Amino acid sequence: GENVEQHPSTLSVQEGDSAVIKCTYSDSASNYFPWYKQELGKRPQLIIDIRSNVGEKKDQRIAVTLNKTAKHFSLHITETQPEDSAVYFCAASKGPGTYKYIFGTGTRLKVLA
Amino acid sequence: DVKVTQSSRYLVKRTGEKVFLECVQDMDHENMFWYRQDPGLGLRLIYFSYDVKMKEKGDIPEGYSVSREKKERFSLILESASTNQTSMYLCASKQGATDTQYFGPGTRLTVL
Repeated sequence: GENVEQHPSTLSVQEGDSAVIKCTYSDSASNYFPWYKQELGKRPQLIIDIRSNVGEKKDQRIAVTLNKTAKHFSLHITETQPEDSAVYFCAASKGPGTYKYIFGTGTRLKVLA
Repeated sequence: DVKVTQSSRYLVKRTGEKVFLECVQDMDHENMFWYRQDPGLGLRLIYFSYDVKMKEKGDIPEGYSVSREKKERFSLILESASTNQTSMYLCASKQGATDTQYFGPGTRLTVL
């Protein structure tokens, strides 16, 4: 069935370093890929998303890249700060009008000061 | 700003009790979702609703039912709570023709 694999499950980086989280999806019809950040005790919040007609998208220190051929997409956080510490989830869906997101299992990022 | 609220942040119930979790959104979204979040398993879809009184099973509907009598409100019902339903429950909503889901703060349910 459809699934999204996410790696690593935990990631520790020194403040100021970069962090990369990778997801691989199985359904080639997927065309929308959001990333959510969930701080401890809080709701998941969308931080960036990408559609399949784009290879890369940036928003300040956060970027997402998509390789449709390989069916994987990655979240890149540069110049990490302690407030980046959270659980990050990737997801894949077939776009507007479809209801189902397939979520990855999450990555716990710790930024060490 | 989209607001999705859930009736309780923390809930403790006994095995066999009937449990209601409520979710309300204030943005006139057509679609609403209930997820369960467990460590190492990510978010798994229990049920979703694409319109009032319309519902579809997600990946793990067993032991759950839902109700959507009004557009803004989507309820998750555990007919007879069991210990393996101890979990974090997240509600989400989205506009029908768009991609982005907005999440509620979650309800941490413990079944003793």
